Amino acid sequence: NAGVMQNPRHLVRRRGQEARLRCSPMKGHSHVYWYRQLPEEGLKFMVYLQKENIIDESGMPKERFSAEFPKEGPSILRIQQVVRGDSAAYFCASSRRSGTGDGYTFGSGTRLTVV
Amino acid sequence: DQQVKQNSPSLSVQEGRISILNCDYTNSMFDYFLWYKKYPAEGPTFLISISSIKDKNEDGRFTVFLNKSAKHLSLHIVPSQPGDSAVYFCAATGGGGADGLTFGKGTHLIIQP
Repeated sequence: NAGVMQNPRHLVRRRGQEARLRCSPMKGHSHVYWYRQLPEEGLKFMVYLQKENIIDESGMPKERFSAEFPKEGPSILRIQQVVRGDSAAYFCASSRRSGTGDGYTFGSGTRLTVV
Repeated sequence: DQQVKQNSPSLSVQEGRISILNCDYTNSMFDYFLWYKKYPAEGPTFLISISSIKDKNEDGRFTVFLNKSAKHLSLHIVPSQPGDSAVYFCAATGGGGADGLTFGKGTHLIIQP
C-alpha cells in the first residue's frame, strides 16, 4: 500500500519558467492538501482540494499559483513564471476525510530550486 | 503574524533522559493540537495529538500536555532514544480560518549518546 507519492523529488527551474508538482494521494484518500516550507520556516498551508473541487485556497498566493485535483490522475500544483522566492520544499498530504490532522499522510516533498 | 510559536530552534538531550519540547499559540479558537516528527528529506509524520477539551494525552514514550489558560503545550519524550533525533513541529487546527494546519517553525531535537 503505497503512501503519498510526490514527483519529482527535486526540480530546478530558471526564473520565468513554469513548475509542475505532482501528488498522488494514498489509495482511498480523496482529500489533498498542499503545504510549502521555506528555508528555516515551518510548513505553511496553501490549498485544500477534494476530487475536482478546490475547497480552501486561502493560503495560496493570488497570482502565478494554481492547483487542481482532477477526477482521474494526480493533484497538480502549478507555479507559473517562477521567481527565486518560490524556492522551497512543497509537501502534499492526503486524508480519507477532512478535519483533524492526525489522519493526514504526507509525501516526501518536492524541492524546487529556482536559478 | 505567527500563530504557533516554537521558540527553541534546537534542543540537545542525553540518551535516556527526558526531552521536553515547547509550543505556544496565540489563536484561542484553535481546538486541536498535533505534533509531527520530520527526518531530513522526508515528509512530516504524525506523532501525537490532543483535543482542547483535554489537558494530557499519552502514547507510549510520548506525552503531550496542554495548558489552555497559558496557550501552551509541550511534548515529553521519555526515555529519549537516538532515533528520536529529528525536527519536531507543533501544529494546530480549528482556528476559524483555513482548513489546513498551522505549523510552528520546528525544534531540532538532538539525542546525544
